[in-house]
Amino acid sequence: DSGVTQTPKHLITATGQRVTLRCSPRSGDLSVYWYQQSLDQGLQFLIQYYNGEERAKGNILERFSAQQFPDLHSELNLSSLELGDSALYFCASSVGGQGTGELFFGEGSRLTVL
Amino acid sequence: DAKTTQPPSMDCAEGRAANLPCNHSTISGNEYVYWYRQIHSQGPQYIIHGLKNNETNEMASLIITEDRKSSTLILPHATLRDTAVYYCIVISQGAQKLVFGQGTRLTINP
Repeated sequence: DSGVTQTPKHLITATGQRVTLRCSPRSGDLSVYWYQQSLDQGLQFLIQYYNGEERAKGNILERFSAQQFPDLHSELNLSSLELGDSALYFCASSVGGQGTGELFFGEGSRLTVL
Repeated sequence: DAKTTQPPSMDCAEGRAANLPCNHSTISGNEYVYWYRQIHSQGPQYIIHGLKNNETNEMASLIITEDRKSSTLILPHATLRDTAVYYCIVISQGAQKLVFGQGTRLTINP
């Protein structure tokens, strides 16, 4: 158990819909990272927040947005869903705001878009 | 960050040492070598990291060549539970994100 909690574990929805994935970092960790893993793309970095502020951005689509709240939990919002958005979405957390240092990953949220 | 090259797949017998190579010939002086693994659709798990010295922890050993252009992750007594995709990542101090490549799919055979 990494200490990072992601909900929901599984989600099935239809094209065009909007979903929200939630992540609670380990106690004391200030950074949250979001990754997408689809079959043909591997693990893709989406975005990082540190203590409520966006710190780094990867290949995140404009239809996707994220935020980190004062209690440090984070949400990833995916809208106008397409079939290709079906993937595992991982959240990770770390103490500091840099990519170096150990990242602790949650078990992921599996999104299926039909 | 420096690019890494890993073999796409490897096999190892249970109980033997698994040696996973990683080439990072363009690594620069302030870049670390990190290893993570991902067991079948679970979240990736940190294994070990190093800068230039060899490192060992309860999970594995990391051997970095003197010129730092390559490294080897060693799982000393592989078990079936070590079957996973292993990622070698080079990242500079201060970098904001960890970028995963394709990794090596290690299969431990009974």
